[in-house]
Amino acid sequence: GAGVSQSPRYKVAKRGQDVALRCDPISGHVSLFWYQQALGQGPEFLTYFQNEAQLDKSGLPSDRFFAERPEGSVSTLKIQRTQQEDSAVYLCASSLYRGGETQYFGPGTRLLVL
Amino acid sequence: SQQGEEDPQALSIQEGENATMNCSYKTSINNLQWYRQNSGRGLVHLILIRSNEREKHSGRLRVTLDTSKKSSSLLITASRAADTASYFCATFYGNNRLAFGKGNQVVVIP
Repeated sequence: GAGVSQSPRYKVAKRGQDVALRCDPISGHVSLFWYQQALGQGPEFLTYFQNEAQLDKSGLPSDRFFAERPEGSVSTLKIQRTQQEDSAVYLCASSLYRGGETQYFGPGTRLLVL
Repeated sequence: SQQGEEDPQALSIQEGENATMNCSYKTSINNLQWYRQNSGRGLVHLILIRSNEREKHSGRLRVTLDTSKKSSSLLITASRAADTASYFCATFYGNNRLAFGKGNQVVVIP
């Protein structure tokens, strides 16, 4: 079956631009996660959804970062007024159950802010 | 914040040799997981070991967990060129998130 998909795979933005990153989780998965992976580092948690409810957004680095999952399936991570330090790979993961013990990751979106 | 710390962080071995990497963590966990990441296939789940388990096998993978030392090891036996990747340990605390280490870069030379 289809795995987690993300689009675009690559995004180049000028500093100050807004970007929107999309995640299509595995169909029927309740939990959805966003992670940020800087070059040479492991992924770091950003936010967690259970269905359409955003239950944890403690990892979002600033109020320029916003995520939504309005119908409990597709999710969008939006970054406003991008800065160079936002350059990273943004990973989306989904999990069948609440809590997300076993997470399935998408290929990521590589964002480069110039 | 990074929770796991893998050691060694870079490893180069000949095909057929075994590769061992370690991970340490700071607080009590529900389980510990190992992931592989390469440019072709993204981040792939390899194996999960629960806090009440000490050793687990999956194919050529062997994972150990020592909760008293807050450490885990991943052994890849009879390595193949296709095992070339970055390997991450990740701890799960039951708070809906995985905390990843910085990763080990493993290069298997054919």
